[in-house]
Amino acid sequence: SSELTQDPAVSVALGQTVRITCQGDSLRSYYASWYQQKPGQAPVLVIYGKNNRPSGIPDRFSGSSSGNTASLTITGAQAEDEADYYCNSRDSSGNRNWVFGGGTKLTVL
Amino acid sequence: EVQLVQSGAEVKKPGESLKISCKGSGYSFTSYWIGWVRQMPGKGLEWMGIIYPGDSDTRYSPSFQGQVTISADKSISTAYLQWSSLKASDTAMYYCVRELGYCSGGSCYDAFDIWGQGTMVTVSS
Repeated sequence: SSELTQDPAVSVALGQTVRITCQGDSLRSYYASWYQQKPGQAPVLVIYGKNNRPSGIPDRFSGSSSGNTASLTITGAQAEDEADYYCNSRDSSGNRNWVFGGGTKLTVL
Repeated sequence: EVQLVQSGAEVKKPGESLKISCKGSGYSFTSYWIGWVRQMPGKGLEWMGIIYPGDSDTRYSPSFQGQVTISADKSISTAYLQWSSLKASDTAMYYCVRELGYCSGGSCYDAFDIWGQGTMVTVSS
């Protein structure tokens, strides 16, 4: 089965830009999607596909991909962006399985 | 409004059985796969398995195959996750998710676009 690897923790100064990355073989075949989870809440989808934002997600969130690495970029991070971020994608086995990254805790300083 | 509403928190003893539910509304329940995701206390998200309510086609993560059963009743737009014999290690928050999966213009769009509020399952003697 596939694995997705994320840095456990990342920090960014208020108003600056931060990139959160996700690496894995399945990303050569499938786009990653990204989820934001705040304490005590269910995750929320923030980016999917090549670079698509669901309704209500601010345009400071964007996604990109190259080779086996997907990235979530927050341009002009806000205090409310402090959260855990998870990537996921379909598993490269092709059996409709999915895989999640281990998550990245984003701290906004 | 498209939403998934899960059943309430459960406290069980080891060895007991349990079935939790996830009711979809605001969309065609039989047209989207519904998955289950586990989050153990203080840990990350783990994909458990998925079902297509239209025909009950079900797939499991190898990590959860044989440990849980996923089912659905399309007549009441509800998916289920069940255990026949709970263990302390099953203590976790469980989320149901709607799978967004379609291809258009040469690109495919795969994600879990709708999440239930979560069901906390506590297994303790």
